[in-house]
Amino acid sequence: EAQVTQNPRYLITVTGKKLTVTCSQNMNHEYMSWYRQDPGLGLRQIYYSMNVEVTDKGDVPEGYKVSRKEKRNFPLILESPSPNQTSLYFCASSPTGTSGRNEQFFGPGTRLTVL
Amino acid sequence: QKEVEQNSGPLSVPEGAIASLNCTYSDRGSQSFFWYRQYSGKSPELIMSIYSNGDKEDGRFTAQLNKASQYVSLLIRDSQPSDSATYLCAVRTSGTYKYIFGTGTRLKVLA
Repeated sequence: EAQVTQNPRYLITVTGKKLTVTCSQNMNHEYMSWYRQDPGLGLRQIYYSMNVEVTDKGDVPEGYKVSRKEKRNFPLILESPSPNQTSLYFCASSPTGTSGRNEQFFGPGTRLTVL
Repeated sequence: QKEVEQNSGPLSVPEGAIASLNCTYSDRGSQSFFWYRQYSGKSPELIMSIYSNGDKEDGRFTAQLNKASQYVSLLIRDSQPSDSATYLCAVRTSGTYKYIFGTGTRLKVLA
C-alpha cells in the first residue's frame, strides 16, 4: 500500500530534550516536506526537500532541523524543544517530475506536546 | 509575505445542495493549486488539483481557477453529511517548491 508513515504518533516531552520524528514514504517520491498545524494558523511549511541531500526552508524553520540521506526518509529533528513547538506535525511527499504534477500525500500526523 | 485566504466558516448547506468554497491568493505567479479535505484529527486528503484557468471536474467536485483574479474555488454538488469537514486551499508559490495553505473553511452539511 502506498503510504507516508510517521513515528511516533504521539509524544509528550520536556523542554530541551532532543527528539526526532521520523517520516518514511514508499512511493519513490522525490519531494518531501514537513508541516505544523496550529489552531487558527493552519498548515505551515517547516522544511522541504527536493531530493536526497537537497533541503530548503519553508515559512517556519526556526528551531527545527532536517536531513535527507535516503530518498524514502525525511526525519524532523528538534534539538532543544520549547513549549511553542507544541503542535500537530505532518509529513508529506509528492513526485516532482517534468509533468508538473506535484500533489502531496500526507502522513497520519504526530501530536507533540512540549512541557 | 505570500498569502492564501479562505473564509473560516462554518459554511452550512442542506443535504443535496451545492457547496461553494472560495480561496484567494496573493502570489500572481503561482502555477499549482490544490484542494484538500481534512476531517477533525485526521491528515489532509487531496481532493483536486488544478493548474490552468477554467474548470476541472471529478465526480461531484469541480475546481475553478481564475489566475487573472487570483482566486480558486471548489464546488461540491449533491452535498452529503459525509462531506462535512474542513477544506484547505493550497498554492505552490512561483519559482519554488514552497506551499502556502489557507486556514481552511469548515463545511457542515445538514441532513
